[in-house]
Formats: sequence, structure tokens, C-alpha cells
Amino acid sequence: KAGVTQTPRYLIKTRGQQVTLSCSPISGHRSVSWYQQTPGQGLQFLFEYFSETQRNKGNFPGRFSGRQFSNSRSEMNVSTLELGDSALYLCASSSGTDTGNTIYFGEGSWLTVV
Amino acid sequence: GQNIDQPTEMTATEGAIVQINCTYQTSGFNGLFWYQQHAGEAPTFLSYNVLDGLEEKGRFSSFLSRSKGYSYLLLKELQMKDSASYLCAVGRDSNYQLIWGAGTKLIIKP
Repeated sequence: KAGVTQTPRYLIKTRGQQVTLSCSPISGHRSVSWYQQTPGQGLQFLFEYFSETQRNKGNFPGRFSGRQFSNSRSEMNVSTLELGDSALYLCASSSGTDTGNTIYFGEGSWLTVV
Repeated sequence: GQNIDQPTEMTATEGAIVQINCTYQTSGFNGLFWYQQHAGEAPTFLSYNVLDGLEEKGRFSSFLSRSKGYSYLLLKELQMKDSASYLCAVGRDSNYQLIWGAGTKLIIKP
């Protein structure tokens, strides 16, 4: 069974640009969560989608957005990039049917904003 | 409110045993997770406790006391590859969003 797949793995963007990151969850999983992690920091929750609906949202500005498709694949977008957006962006999937479901992480997308 | 506390950093010796504690305050508790994260990599699932007691998985064990809001991860026969951050996260029965601790960086010395 394939794990969570994130693309791209590494990318460099310029301030003011926008970026789209993609996540394919484990087959059969309907919940996808996104996290931001900066060096030495804990996981900061961005949002969670289940069956194409945003079910939870963290405390990030509106520049951060996401969506989920009917096949459970998800994308997140960051517009008007700032230097502080440089981070590891992690996607995690779970079945999403119980709050005790284990979540499984992808390898992450390393974003550098210059 | 919702809160999770874990030590920021711990140091232990190869071959020894180390216990990483996690205390939490949350409403509607529905299980506690432990994840391991090596530097520059994604977190990987270690354990899940929803009932009180000790769960053992090889060299790693996890303990939960719901009445005390307390968990620990016990690592035995430490190996250099165990050097990583260990993240504690709590599930809530009213919300699918996990509450995460800041993680404990474990340094293993020869």
C-alpha cells in the first residue's frame, strides 16, 4: 500500500509569488491535514479536509488556502509569499472516521522563499 | 484550555533507558499519540494509547494515565539512531484536529 505522497519535495520561490503543493493520501483515506514546520519548531496546524470539505482550520492568514478533490487528493496554496513562509509543509492522511484515527505523514515539501 | 507539555530536550547514553514525559489538559480526550521525527524528515507513528496502562512494542513502550493527564514514552537499549524529536499529540472526541506538543529532542551520546 503506497504511503502519503507529496509533490514537489523541494522548491524555491521569490517573495510575492504564489505556490501550490500537492498531496495524495493513502488509498482509502478521506481525511487530509496540512501542517507547517519551521526549523526547531513544533507542528503548526493549517487545515484539515474530509470528503472535499474543510473540517478544521488553524490560525493562519487567508494567504494560506487549500482544497480537496473527489479522489481525496489535496492541494494547498500560499499566495503573496513572505520570507517567513519558508518551512517544511507536511501533509498527513487518515481514514478520518474517528477522532482517534492514526494520521500518517508524507515526506513533506521544503519551501524556501528568497 | 487545551495544552500539552513535554521537555524541550533530553540527553541519554547509548544502551541506557530514557523516559520522555508528556502532560496534557484537554476536554473530550480520545487517545494520545507518540511520533518520532528525525531531523529533516517527516514524523512517523510510534504508538497510540486510549486506555490506561502500558503498551509495549519492542524497545519502545508507551504509558497512559487518563486521570492524571499524563503519558510517557519509554525507550530501552538506546541506539544512536534513536536520536530524534519525539512528539506527543492528543485526540479529542469532538474535533478531528490533534493537539500537538512542541516535541522533545532526544540526544544519544556514545
